Amino acid sequence: GAGVSQSPSNKVTEKGKDVELRCDPISGHTALYWYRQSLGQGLEFLIYFQGNSAPDKSGLPSDRFSAERTGGSVSTLTIQRTQQEDSAVYLCASSSTMGSTRGVTQYFGPGTRLLVL
Amino acid sequence: DAKTTQPPSMDCAEGRAANLPCNHSTISGNEYVYWYRQIHSQGPQYIIHGLKNNETNEMASLIITEDRKSSTLILPHATLRDTAVYYCIVRVAELGTYKYIFGTGTRLKVLA
Repeated sequence: GAGVSQSPSNKVTEKGKDVELRCDPISGHTALYWYRQSLGQGLEFLIYFQGNSAPDKSGLPSDRFSAERTGGSVSTLTIQRTQQEDSAVYLCASSSTMGSTRGVTQYFGPGTRLLVL
Repeated sequence: DAKTTQPPSMDCAEGRAANLPCNHSTISGNEYVYWYRQIHSQGPQYIIHGLKNNETNEMASLIITEDRKSSTLILPHATLRDTAVYYCIVRVAELGTYKYIFGTGTRLKVLA
């Protein structure tokens, strides 16, 4: 079946502009995660959606970052007034459950490479 | 289908070093070992990663054995806020993407 897809694959924008990044999770997956990865670094958790529960926004670095998930499926990550330090790869992942006794497999999308000039 | 095995739980006294072991005997030569932790009801938090050399950052140290079949995460001075589930992960490349298989992890409890 189809995996996690993200769009656009690459985005170049000017400092101060807003950007929207889209994630389509695997069908039926209830958990959706956004991460960002700077060059040579690990994944930095941003936000986590689980079913209809309120999202865990504890990883969002500032109030310029927001995300929503409509209908329990597609998610959009919005960055307002972009800064150069926002340049990174933004990864979306989904999983069928969270915290089960057998562990969790997160399936990642290809990411969106964001470059803020 | 996790590629790593960890003890299910550990206790550590506050202020002491917490040493969290992980076995990854089937790791391939170009696969990195990642450590994440998850505090209750929050998303996973990246800690550290390494390939074959020992690594240190502001959060922890990672010791990888010479044969790369196991590693140890060291929290040098554990605090109560370090209580969490710690996941040792080998990143698997599959069909052009990466898959992070979070196993059951080690539930670390830091005791006052």
